[in-house]
Amino acid sequence: DSGVTQTPKHLITATGQRVTLRCSPRSGDLSVYWYQQSLDQGLQFLIQYYNGEERAKGNILERFSAQQFPDLHSELNLSSLELGDSALYFCASSARGLADETQYFGPGTRLLVL
Amino acid sequence: QKEVEQDPGPLSVPEGAIVSLNCTYSNSAFQYFMWYRQYSRKGPELLMYTYSSGNKEDGRFTAQVDKSSKYISLFIRDSQPSDSATYLCATPSGNTPLVFGKGTRLSVIA
Repeated sequence: DSGVTQTPKHLITATGQRVTLRCSPRSGDLSVYWYQQSLDQGLQFLIQYYNGEERAKGNILERFSAQQFPDLHSELNLSSLELGDSALYFCASSARGLADETQYFGPGTRLLVL
Repeated sequence: QKEVEQDPGPLSVPEGAIVSLNCTYSNSAFQYFMWYRQYSRKGPELLMYTYSSGNKEDGRFTAQVDKSSKYISLFIRDSQPSDSATYLCATPSGNTPLVFGKGTRLSVIA
């Protein structure tokens, strides 16, 4: 158990809908990362937050947004969902968000868009 | 060219075999290299971490970086069925905290 929690574990929804994925980092970690994992693209970095502020942005679509709250939990919002958004979404956390730090991954949210 | 390339396998070996997993990377400026292990339906977990060139050993696992050829390897000695998982190499790249290879799926058969 990494100490990172994600809810929900599974999500099934329809095209055009909006969903929110939630992540709680390990106790004491200030930085949160979101990743998308699909069979064809592998594990892709979406966005990073550090202590409530956006620190780095990756291949995140404009339909997707995220935030980190004062209690350090984070939410990833996915809107106008398309079939191709079906994937595993992972949250990870690290202490200070530095390049040489270990990132601890949560168990993921499996999203299926029908 | 992708920043990190990895043969997806799958790779199937008998128990006790030595396993070699490999990645290549494109940017000679990369300095930190990680190997993550991901069991089915779980999140990735850090297995090994190396900085710059050379070898690092941890029990049955050895991580090796060859900067001259931009090649990183993970060796597993005396492989066990519990080693069956997907192994992902990763490195920080510019503003991207981690860029991952696509992962190699390993099966160790008892």
